Amino acid sequence: GQQLNQSPQSMFIQEGEDVSMNCTSSSIFNTWLWYKQDPGEGPVLLIALYKAGELTSNGRLTAQFGITRKDSFLNISASIPSDVGIYFCAGQNYGGSQGNLIFGKGTKLSVKP
Amino acid sequence: DGGITQSPKYLFRKEGQNVTLSCEQNLNHDAMYWYRQDPGQGLRLIYYSQIVNDFQKGDIAEGYSVSREKKESFPLTVTSAQKNPTAFYLCASSIVAGGRNEQFFGPGTRLTVL
Repeated sequence: GQQLNQSPQSMFIQEGEDVSMNCTSSSIFNTWLWYKQDPGEGPVLLIALYKAGELTSNGRLTAQFGITRKDSFLNISASIPSDVGIYFCAGQNYGGSQGNLIFGKGTKLSVKP
Repeated sequence: DGGITQSPKYLFRKEGQNVTLSCEQNLNHDAMYWYRQDPGQGLRLIYYSQIVNDFQKGDIAEGYSVSREKKESFPLTVTSAQKNPTAFYLCASSIVAGGRNEQFFGPGTRLTVL
């Protein structure tokens, strides 16, 4: 099945730094979602985006629905140790079965204390 | 509390045995999903159901079976036909209306074949 291109695959940052990650698709999407997964747990929804150009924040997290409808970005400001985990993007493309999502392979975030 | 529960958290199976993973939700969601997650991989869809008594194959349905007899429950059976069943299994649910596609996940079941 189709998968999204999510980058970077992993990153190490100093506490307090800002983080950016993104997802791209070869097809147009009508929904972009961002999840965080802690080890051994299920993903938790962070932000949902439904309109091209939409910019939405959740605390220190900000995500954007790309104007081309083929990409999305997640930024984390002033990272802290509890930001460690795997961040997944997910989306639904036009013509896809309602409710079915396509997932990226994740960005593994590690923070140096 | 509303949410999705999966049981057990850890499951061990001998080769050749079928095993059933439980998933229950009290969110009144119409749709439910099963995903498989392998290390370093994204989530791959096994089966999904948008209404009771109906379900569809996902990308990797071979060796798995499901049932949807109640809105709240969507059990997954890993059969002996699944050649590489050791993985982390995630159940999710969502509303199927109004263009909303947000899926909410359970805590997962880690299956290990001995």
